[in-house]
Amino acid sequence: EAGVAQSPRYKIIEKRQSVAFWCNPISGHATLYWYQQILGQGPKLLIQFQNNGVVDDSQLPKDRFSAERLKGVDSTLKIQPAKLEDSAVYLCASSFGGLAEGIQYFGAGTRLSVL
Amino acid sequence: ILNVEQSPQSLHVQEGDSTNFTCSFPSSNFYALHWYRWETAKSPEALFVMTLNGDEKKKGRISATLNTKEGYSYLYIKGSQPEDSATYLCAFIIFGRGSTLGRLYFGRGTQLTVWP
Repeated sequence: EAGVAQSPRYKIIEKRQSVAFWCNPISGHATLYWYQQILGQGPKLLIQFQNNGVVDDSQLPKDRFSAERLKGVDSTLKIQPAKLEDSAVYLCASSFGGLAEGIQYFGAGTRLSVL
Repeated sequence: ILNVEQSPQSLHVQEGDSTNFTCSFPSSNFYALHWYRWETAKSPEALFVMTLNGDEKKKGRISATLNTKEGYSYLYIKGSQPEDSATYLCAFIIFGRGSTLGRLYFGRGTQLTVWP
């Protein structure tokens, strides 16, 4: 079974530039999550999708971050414009249903450095 | 604000040593606790899902226990090997109002380095 795919693996940009990350979840997984993990902290949920609808985006900085999951499969996370404090690893995860039924499967993440 | 604490923050041990880490979490409204293992440049991998007070799970040399009444879980590694070097994360599940999907709150992790 193929895992969660993310790209790119690494990205270096200057502040005020834009960046986008892509995620392809495990086939058949309805729920998709984006996390931000800042160095020294635990992963923090940014947004959660159920199929192509947003379930929870309460911790997404909506003035600069946006995410979409067209057709309920792949997802993109965008930052526009980036700030220095956005330097982090961005993890995508998917699960078959909700967490009451099972676990999340993570991708390897995109490491973003904002200079 | 939910507080999931992990200790120690980092740990350096020699190959063959046994080690353990702690995850503490709010004891009220407990549903489940997940343990993940995250090796550098790889995907975080689920180790255990702990749901019942007194649960004890085992996977090879790694085991975990759960005390929901006092709000802590221990992860043990017996006879550590260099390939055990990773960050070990625990995550507490909460359910938002009206939501059945749940959200994970992660601790900061314990970074384990096993020296040969």
